[in-house]
Amino acid sequence: KNEVEQSPQNLTAQEGEFITINCSYSVGISALHWLQQHPGGGIVSLFMLSSGKKKHGRLIATINIQEKHSSLHITASHPRDSAVYICAVNAGGTSYGKLTFGQGTILTVHP
Amino acid sequence: NAGVTQTPKFQVLKTGQSMTLQCAQDMNHEYMSWYRQDPGMGLRLIHYSVGAGITDQGEVPNGYNVSRSTTEDFPLRLLSAAPSQTSVYFCASSYFAQPYRDNYGYTFGSGTRLTVV
Repeated sequence: KNEVEQSPQNLTAQEGEFITINCSYSVGISALHWLQQHPGGGIVSLFMLSSGKKKHGRLIATINIQEKHSSLHITASHPRDSAVYICAVNAGGTSYGKLTFGQGTILTVHP
Repeated sequence: NAGVTQTPKFQVLKTGQSMTLQCAQDMNHEYMSWYRQDPGMGLRLIHYSVGAGITDQGEVPNGYNVSRSTTEDFPLRLLSAAPSQTSVYFCASSYFAQPYRDNYGYTFGSGTRLTVV
């Protein structure tokens, strides 16, 4: 079993829909990251979370440390949101700095 | 512009050749790392460094060498390229200490697509 599991693996939505991507992890962490990768493109850091909730425009990220679970929400989705969304964690203790990644969620938003 | 610069963007190597992927950052980040991204495998850590003169192995270090002589640069060397090293390589940097700082995030390079034939 991977230390970081994302669901769903693939997600198709119509423009304007509310989208949720989930991430569960099995290790103690010091931080969790949400990353975005457009097809053929580089990787952009969206959020870093150690507790609670963060919002950036139409993107919202939440984390529940007790349940070892995080969600990424996109409100009013748009075709330009089509990308791979990757959850990654910094394990706690001396290994923080090193990232362990989920497999990614491929999001396609149709106009 | 501030960020992580990776070169080259594309490279084709013959089996057995050696090469160096370059990575440079101008943000004074202590932490730098190399990842490879393969279909179905996600991103995996190759090597990382927490400061000049300090490097360590990640999840998939075999066939790769690194060094960190300055804060800015973290080159990745392929010693004798193999087809199994065909992949997309990403370099990333971040602040290392104080992971609870608000701006503790990673900056990634644009990637190097390497094909070994």
